[in-house]
Amino acid sequence: QLQLQESGPGLVKPSDTLSLTCTVSGYSINSGHYWGWIRQPPGKGPEWIGNIYPSGSTYYNPSLKSRVTMSVDRSKNQFFLHLTSVTAADTAVYTCARPNPDYNTRPYAFDIWGQGALVTVSS
Amino acid sequence: QSALTQPASVSGSPGQSITISCTGTSSDIGPHNYVSWYQQHPGQAPKIIIFDVNNRPSGVSNRFSGFKSGNTASLTISGLQAEDEADYYCSCYTSWTTVLFGGGTKVTVL
Repeated sequence: QLQLQESGPGLVKPSDTLSLTCTVSGYSINSGHYWGWIRQPPGKGPEWIGNIYPSGSTYYNPSLKSRVTMSVDRSKNQFFLHLTSVTAADTAVYTCARPNPDYNTRPYAFDIWGQGALVTVSS
Repeated sequence: QSALTQPASVSGSPGQSITISCTGTSSDIGPHNYVSWYQQHPGQAPKIIIFDVNNRPSGVSNRFSGFKSGNTASLTISGLQAEDEADYYCSCYTSWTTVLFGGGTKVTVL
């Protein structure tokens, strides 16, 4: 059974880099479809951060593109999120998710979500 | 790109039907049938209930249905039940290969 689990620091200082890992279990990350990161600020709606393909090709939210890098380690069945120059506005629950390729080959219909990791940006 | 526009709240009595709108533009919702809807209960991750405008994943109640006309999509919940009280978010795949979410609608069962 496919499961996703985020890990990383829960507190990041302003201007630092937020780094998170998503570990995929029960499924191969090389299964030929995209993986995504989504964040949700407290009390607000979700915001798509980006998608990454196992080959490493990426698509990012234009509003975050200058600060976001996503990467993948196929040998560890993990993919990663790095967000630079964070501010308090980046405080959110960060979740990795799988857009189901059986629903649509366009990677937008997320059916499997991790439990989410609250990241607070504060000094 | 701006978030898709949803009403902040919608309410209804048990057994009634309610409809939540989701308005985008000719560059996101308009050109494609790539609209999904999510249900989110407090403290939980979103759960997908509709994809490709009007398709339900296996196990999702047929009380949920979707529709799209022009730049606006909608979700209808029929036979409203107490368990339907939650936040609902629309989402779409855009012409720029990006994903947009709506601001969310809180559904209250009276």
